[in-house]
Amino acid sequence: TQLLEQSPQFLSIQEGENLTVYCNSSSVFSSLQWYRQEPGEGPVLLVTVVTGGEVKKLKRLTFQFGDARKDSSLHITAAQPGDTGLYLCAGGESGNTGKLIFGQGTTLQVKP
Amino acid sequence: DVKVTQSSRYLVKRTGEKVFLECVQDMDHENMFWYRQDPGLGLRLIYFSYDVKMKEKGDIPEGYSVSREKKERFSLILESASTNQTSMYLCASSSLAGGISEQYFGPGTRLTVT
Repeated sequence: TQLLEQSPQFLSIQEGENLTVYCNSSSVFSSLQWYRQEPGEGPVLLVTVVTGGEVKKLKRLTFQFGDARKDSSLHITAAQPGDTGLYLCAGGESGNTGKLIFGQGTTLQVKP
Repeated sequence: DVKVTQSSRYLVKRTGEKVFLECVQDMDHENMFWYRQDPGLGLRLIYFSYDVKMKEKGDIPEGYSVSREKKERFSLILESASTNQTSMYLCASSSLAGGISEQYFGPGTRLTVT
């Protein structure tokens, strides 16, 4: 069974601080997505990484896929209150089923 | 932009009622999914469909059924609602372009069963 473990589960920081969220597995994933979900809304896709070692940037957010495609990280520089939300990583299930394996999520609170 | 819409944002039903949740996507995606999201339990897959009239059970199908008569529409049915089905229900759709399944979610339906 493929599993994705996210850490930390909760993070409360002050505006302007940096943070990193980790997504780890013992399984290889063909691709990995990061989503952000605001309270009462559905998750919104932020990025997809496909190649081992790939790094993608989205403004102050930097996403990295591990060389072995078993782990990923999300780094936020100078966090702002608007970054508050639930961050989910998800990997494509093996066998090309179209299903995603989701991590448990990291709840981020950025205080002004 | 991909748009996934769900029929209701909030729903309150009584125990034993039959409940229909509808989801529509406008991107001609082959795959559609129904999840429920509960605190501490993450996103759990109820059912998914990879084509019209095709469906597969997810991790927690008990007490639910689905219908996909048209490619753009995927319905979740609670045959006899129970209080333990109070949850946030999320619909998603995806294509499988290049073997990558990027799922696009609707805004969710917060269902309360009393």
